[in-house]
This record gives sequence, C-alpha cells and structure tokens, in this order.
Amino acid sequence: DVVMTQTPVSLSVSLGGQVSISCRSSQSLVHNNGNTYLSWYLQKPGQSPQLLIYKVSNRFSGISDRFSGSGSGTDFTLKISRVEPDDLGVYYCGQGTQYPLTFGSGTKLEIK
Amino acid sequence: EVKLVEYGGGLVQPGASLRLSCEASGFTFSDFYMEWIRQAPGKGLEWIASSRNKANDYSTVYSASVKDRFTISRDTYKRILYLQMNTLKPEDTAIYYCVSERRHWGQGVMVTVSS
Repeated sequence: DVVMTQTPVSLSVSLGGQVSISCRSSQSLVHNNGNTYLSWYLQKPGQSPQLLIYKVSNRFSGISDRFSGSGSGTDFTLKISRVEPDDLGVYYCGQGTQYPLTFGSGTKLEIK
Repeated sequence: EVKLVEYGGGLVQPGASLRLSCEASGFTFSDFYMEWIRQAPGKGLEWIASSRNKANDYSTVYSASVKDRFTISRDTYKRILYLQMNTLKPEDTAIYYCVSERRHWGQGVMVTVSS
C-alpha cells in the first residue's frame, strides 16, 4: 500500500498569511498513463471533505486561486496564500494512482 | 449540480448487517467511478470500496479491512449506490461518505456498531 505522510500535523497562521503543507508518498504516484493522481481536500469543522486540488496542481471548480498545488513523483505541496477565516479545518492529501486509495493523516490549520 | 445523499445508517450490534444507500443526481451516474470512504470518530479518511464506471463493467475493488464482508453495488436505473455491510464489527463505527470520482462528497451517514 502507498503510505502518505503529511507534515506538519498542525499549524497556526495569521489572517492574510501564507502556509505550506507537505505530503510525501512511499511510492511514485505517476500512473502508467502518465498522470499523477494526487489530490488535496479540506474538511471544515462538522462538514464533509471537499476537493481543492486534483492531479497535483489543478484547482477544482470554484476553488480560489489562493490555493495552489505542486510537486511530482513522491513529494507534493499545498500552498495557501492570503489565509482567510474560512480556510480553517483539516487538510488531507490523497492518492488515486493505485488501489487501495490512501490518504495522509491530515494537517489541522488554525487561525491565530 | 452534483448531489449525493446517503441514508441507511444507525446503531447495530456486532455481527449484524446494514445496507447504506446513496442517491446520486446532477451527473451521468454510469460514467463515473463511485467510492465509499469512511471516517472513524476523530480519525482520518479511509477508503473502503470502489465501483468503476460502465466502461469498466462496474467492476469493484475493496480494502482489505472490509473485503469479504462488504459489497458495493449500484442500481443505474434508480441512480443509487449501495454498500451492503455484513458481519459488522465495532471498528466499523464511522461516518460513511459516498463519493463520486473522488471529487464530490455526500454529507455522510453515521454507522455505530456496539452492543
């Protein structure tokens, strides 16, 4: 199974600031078809997870350009710029390159 | 607008069975992969089952933790995704989410397995 390791476990940021979350996979996430199926999700308090980024760097419909994803192979990063109050919650990375699908353990973002 | 509505959860005893349903709307149901992903109280996300799309014969894949106990299926006419859960264990206690193409998530349904 592909193990997804997220860091940090939690972080606190001031409104308007910028944060980065790291996600590393135990195996390359490059699929045989050449795509890399690495996604980022945000789970706001009391809500279902929502997709932010898919295939490493593609913003999902309606997602602000303050969210950006990057990386390749086994190392990936989510950056959030100009942090807003609505950004708080737990961020998960997830891989869809091979079964079983797996997720990181989450990064809790708090607003100072 | 894609909409996924789960129902069928509840409190059951260990060893019991339960069937979850997920009504889908706003997209071509047969074209999409569908998944069940669960989240134990206070824990992270765990994928448990997938139903591939029509082009892939609706073939199914399961996590090791539920294989041979859970069955994912779909009724394409009614646009409903199912999860038949048998021989439930306390460790199956979680919120169960219906997810389409790993993109759209339902609101989740709680399953509690306890005596």
